[in-house]
Amino acid sequence: NAGVTQTPKFRVLKTGQSMTLLCAQDMNHEYMYWYRQDPGMGLRLIHYSVGEGTTAKGEVPDGYNVSRLKKQNFLLGLESAAPSQTSVYFCASSYSPPTRGASGNTIYFGEGSWLTVV
Amino acid sequence: AQKITQTQPGMFVQEKEAVTLDCTYDTSDQSYGLFWYKQPSSGEMIFLIYQGSYDEQNATEGRYSLNFQKARKSANLVISASQLGDSAMYFCAMREGMRNAGNMLTFGGGTRLMVKP
Repeated sequence: NAGVTQTPKFRVLKTGQSMTLLCAQDMNHEYMYWYRQDPGMGLRLIHYSVGEGTTAKGEVPDGYNVSRLKKQNFLLGLESAAPSQTSVYFCASSYSPPTRGASGNTIYFGEGSWLTVV
Repeated sequence: AQKITQTQPGMFVQEKEAVTLDCTYDTSDQSYGLFWYKQPSSGEMIFLIYQGSYDEQNATEGRYSLNFQKARKSANLVISASQLGDSAMYFCAMREGMRNAGNMLTFGGGTRLMVKP
């Protein structure tokens, strides 16, 4: 049971290049999320999806696009990478909707993707 | 205004002693959830404990307990009998509302805990 898998784990990009981060989950979760974590800071929500074919903006969406064509996959795209997008990116997924108790609110995180833009 | 505030950037604790990591939050929602995560140097996010705003009892999970003071809007994490493996970053996070909008979290800035042998 893989849980939440992110690819690639590490990537170095040049300014202006594009790339896509792939998140895959095998738990049949409706909800998926992309966060970024800058050095010494907590995670911030970039975009999220509440189901196949739906996406919505989070706290820091600028410079990113997302797609959820299949329920199990959530893609994060950088069309023209900038040094300010150097960060660790985390994908997460959860059941829908949150209910009472820890089991109804469990969020499963991927292991993170380290992206450096030079 | 910050929604989640962790005022302790770094803390030391002696092995086998208890330690409290502070977290205060700000929300106008009546229904919300509070989470604590551990992030070791390897980088993964490890779920520790969850407290719902309507839960009457403080949450406990093994050596972790959450000191939930709703009126003061605080959700401090207490780690009993600290171990060397507890050295890590700890993040407090909040989910607001029970809407059909998922479990979107707002994170605090974190506290780095260092356990001394």
